[in-house]
Parts: sequence; structure tokens; C-alpha cells
Amino acid sequence: NAGVTQTPKFQVLKTGQSMTLQCAQDMNHNSMYWYRQDPGMGLRLIYYSASEGTTDKGEVPNGYNVSRLNKREFSLRLESAAPSQTSVYFCASTQRAGAHQETQYFGPGTRLLVL
Amino acid sequence: AQSVTQLGSHVSVSEGALVLLRCNYSSSVPPYLFWYVQYPNQGLQLLLKYTTGATLVKGINGFEAEFKKSETSFHLTKPSAHMSDAAEYFCAVRGGNKLTFGTGTQLKVEL
Repeated sequence: NAGVTQTPKFQVLKTGQSMTLQCAQDMNHNSMYWYRQDPGMGLRLIYYSASEGTTDKGEVPNGYNVSRLNKREFSLRLESAAPSQTSVYFCASTQRAGAHQETQYFGPGTRLLVL
Repeated sequence: AQSVTQLGSHVSVSEGALVLLRCNYSSSVPPYLFWYVQYPNQGLQLLLKYTTGATLVKGINGFEAEFKKSETSFHLTKPSAHMSDAAEYFCAVRGGNKLTFGTGTQLKVEL
């Protein structure tokens, strides 16, 4: 049981390049999330998917797109990377969004540097 | 809307001393509160959570937190710090489908 996995672990991009961050969970969770973590700002929600087939914007969605490929996988795409998107990106999952006592389980993160 | 405020971005304690990390919340509905810990170069993992019931919540690694509605607080404590407790700690409040995180407190443990 690997939990939440993310690929790649590290990535360096040039401004304007595109890339997709991959996330998968093997816990049969319904809900998945993408966050970014920046120094002094905690974690901010980019997008989430409450269930397979649905996605919703979070606090900072501009410059990102997501795809809930199936129940296991939730990808984050940067179409045209900007230096402001340099960050650490975390994927998380939980059994059911809206169940307030549910714990979110986090992946190990992807460190992205945009030059 | 829900929000949390963590007082002190950096806290330093001596090994064996009391750890106190402060968190205050704002919520328009009964809050569901969480503390997560992040060790260097790792993801977040749950320390403890308050949903309903007992206001003193015990978590992993000897940490506990007390929900005080009158003070809108959910401070994290540990009686005796260990070097392995050095990490970043995040308080979070659940609202609807989402968690809202505080800005984090970096805990340093000194010999």
C-alpha cells in the first residue's frame, strides 16, 4: 500500500515550457487535491476533485489545469510555466470530501523550479 | 469562511522542555481542526484532529491539543521536546470540501 505517490520528485523548467505533475493513490479514496507550498504562506489549494468526473477551483487556480483521469489519478498541468509557479506541489486524497472528520493523506511532493 | 492563525513562525525550545505551538481559528460553523507535521523534504502527516466529543485530543509522538471554544484556540503541546520533533507544524480547519491551513510554525529543538 503505497498511499499517495507523485511524479516527478524534482523538475526544472524554463519560462513558457509546459509540464504535467502526476498523482496517484491506492486507498480507493474518492476525493483528491492539489496544493502548493511557499515559504511563509502555508499550503494553498489549487484545485480539487470531490469525486471522479468532477473538478473545482481552489484558492489559487490561475495558470493551472487539472484532470481527474480515473478514481486513482489526478494530474496537474502547467501550460506555460512562469517563475511565480516555482514552488513545492503536494497532492492529497481523502475518502470523501465534505466528511469533516476525514483525514487528508499527502504525497511526498514535487519540487518545481521555473527559470 | 474558515481561517486559522498560527502565532510565531519560528519556535525554539531546549530538549526536554515544554513545546507549545499556538493556533487560533475562525469558523462560522462548529470547527473540525487538525494538526499536521512536515519533516524536511517530506509530505504532511496527521498528528491529531478534533471533530466532536472530548476537547483534549491526543495524537502521535506524545503530542496533544485542547479545543477551547471560548478562546477559539487549538494549541498543540508536548510536555518534553525531543530532537526528533524538529519539523514544521501546520494547523488546519476543515470547511466544506476543503482544508484551510495556517502559515506554519517551524520548531527547532536545541541541546
